[in-house]
Parts: sequence; C-alpha cells; structure tokens
Amino acid sequence: QKEVEQDPGPLSVPEGAIVSLNCTYSNSAFQYFMWYRQYSRKGPELLMYTYSSGNKEDGRFTAQVDKSSKYISLFIRDSQPSDSATYLCVLTTDSWGKLQFGAGTQVVVTP
Amino acid sequence: DAGVTQSPTHLIKTRGQQVTLRCSPKSGHDTVSWYQQALGQGPQFIFQYYEEEERQRGNFPDRFSGHQFPNYSSELNVNALLLGDSALYLCASSSPRGAEAFFGQGTRLTVV
Repeated sequence: QKEVEQDPGPLSVPEGAIVSLNCTYSNSAFQYFMWYRQYSRKGPELLMYTYSSGNKEDGRFTAQVDKSSKYISLFIRDSQPSDSATYLCVLTTDSWGKLQFGAGTQVVVTP
Repeated sequence: DAGVTQSPTHLIKTRGQQVTLRCSPKSGHDTVSWYQQALGQGPQFIFQYYEEEERQRGNFPDRFSGHQFPNYSSELNVNALLLGDSALYLCASSSPRGAEAFFGQGTRLTVV
C-alpha cells in the first residue's frame, strides 16, 4: 500500500465549475500537508500549506485536512482553463524532512 | 528574487556515463533536497543536504551522490547511468523555519 493515494485522473470540468481533489494517507505521523500545482514539463509550484486539521482558504483555493480520517482535499472555485495542470498532494512528518508526494491528479478545464 | 535555479535544463547521456546536475537555492534558504520524477508519477525523494552534510536519504542506490557548497548551492551526481534513470530531476530549497519547499524547473535527463 502506498503511503499517499491520489486518483491520477484525468478530471475534466467545464470552465466555472468547482474542482474537487483529494488524497488519503496511511501514516498518522504526517503533520504537514501541502498542495502543489505542476504544469507540463515544469517544476511543482506551492499552492497551499497547512499544519492542522480544518480548512484553509486562499482566493479561489480551499484546502481541507481531516487527520482523524487521514483525508485531505483541495477545492478550486470558478475554475479557469489556466487551472489545467497536475495537482500533487504532498505530506511530510516534520518541518524539514522529505516530502511524500501523491501520484498527482491531472485536471483539464474546458472553455 | 531568482527563486530556485537548476542547470542544465535538458541533458542526453549514454548508458554507463556519469552526470552532474546543479542547483542554486532560493535566497535565504539553506536546505536543498533532490527529487526524481518519472513520467506520469509524483516526485520521489533522493536526498537532502543541510550545512554541507547529507541529512536524509531516500531509497536510491549509492550511484546517486551529492554535495552542498558553503553558499548552499548543491550538485547531484549519478554514476553508471541506466536507461531507468531517465527522468525529470527536481531541486527544492527550504528555509530553517518551515516545511514549505520551493522547486526549480528541473533538469530533464534522457539516458540512451
């Protein structure tokens, strides 16, 4: 069993729709949770960073963490074609250690 | 702020050869980590350097080695290249204060 499970997609949505992404994990030692966006052939770009359970909002992006269920989510409101990318959930056990990536979900937002 | 910079951007090598990839961290960052990303997969942790020492290592063979310089820049060396080493190699830097890691654009290595 992988430490972090993420549906690879692709997930296709029409412009303006809400994109819903999620990951599950098995190691309860994970304490820091991040979402990265990666465009084709580019390096990952940090979108959201959370430490505790609950919600965090930043513009059109909302990240949710449920440590009791070992489940994290990312919602993108009012999706745009420029949101078409691969979204990676990333977890780590401490503030300086290695990052554990999910496989990434490819999102396609159609005009 | 230039962010994390990596060089070269693309590289083609022959099986059995050796390769060196370079990374300059974001200003103010002292920790550099290297990741390997195969096509269609998430990045896999290779190792991390802090204070010029390898602090943590992932499940990669000894053919993968690295170095960090006093100015915090870093190199990744891979010896005896295999076809399976073809991947995007990513460098990430972070500060002493938190887990937020910033990635470079990567070096795409093709082994033929």
